[in-house]
Amino acid sequence: DAGVTQSPTHLIKTRGQQVTLRCSPKSGHDTVSWYQQALGQGPQFIFQYYEEEERQRGNFPDRFSGHQFPNYSSELNVNALLLGDSALYLCASSLTGTSGELFFGEGSRLTVL
Amino acid sequence: QQQVKQSPQSLIVQKGGISIINCAYENTAFDYFPWYQQFPGKGPALLIAIRPDVSEKKEGRFTISFNKSAKQFSLHIMDSQPGDSATYFCAASRPGSARQLTFGSGTQLTVLP
Repeated sequence: DAGVTQSPTHLIKTRGQQVTLRCSPKSGHDTVSWYQQALGQGPQFIFQYYEEEERQRGNFPDRFSGHQFPNYSSELNVNALLLGDSALYLCASSLTGTSGELFFGEGSRLTVL
Repeated sequence: QQQVKQSPQSLIVQKGGISIINCAYENTAFDYFPWYQQFPGKGPALLIAIRPDVSEKKEGRFTISFNKSAKQFSLHIMDSQPGDSATYFCAASRPGSARQLTFGSGTQLTVLP
């Protein structure tokens, strides 16, 4: 049973560019949440997708957007990259209606130069 | 009101000792308090979680103690092992938002052999 898978694992971009990160949830899960983890910090909630719609959003600017596909996989897009966007981006999946345990992927490490 | 404050930032214990990590929260609406363990290069993994209707929960060597009046909760790791060396995060969420976790800043635990 595959867990949460994310791609790419590492990537380097320059300021002003755009990036797309991808996530496949754990088998049987229908909800995907995205978190940003800066070096030495705890993860911060970006947003959550369920039924192909953004359901909840944290305190992140509109440069951060996402999408969920019919197969429950998800993408995180970040436009106009800033140096401060350098972080580990974590995808977490869960099953709606359950006690709420989140299963995290290993993350995509984004470096903005 | 959304903060979760975690201490200490780092902790070194001898093998067989007890590791104690503390967290305090401000938002009294929080009703779900998980602890996550994160190894380098990996995503966070749920260790143990508690809801405020109980004051303590134990799973193997891991125990959460919860003090609702003080708005504090702590993780105790008994008989700490070198394999427990990792970063530990406390977190909290509101009712109906179990996937929107507010994380503490993390504690880097080192267990000496």
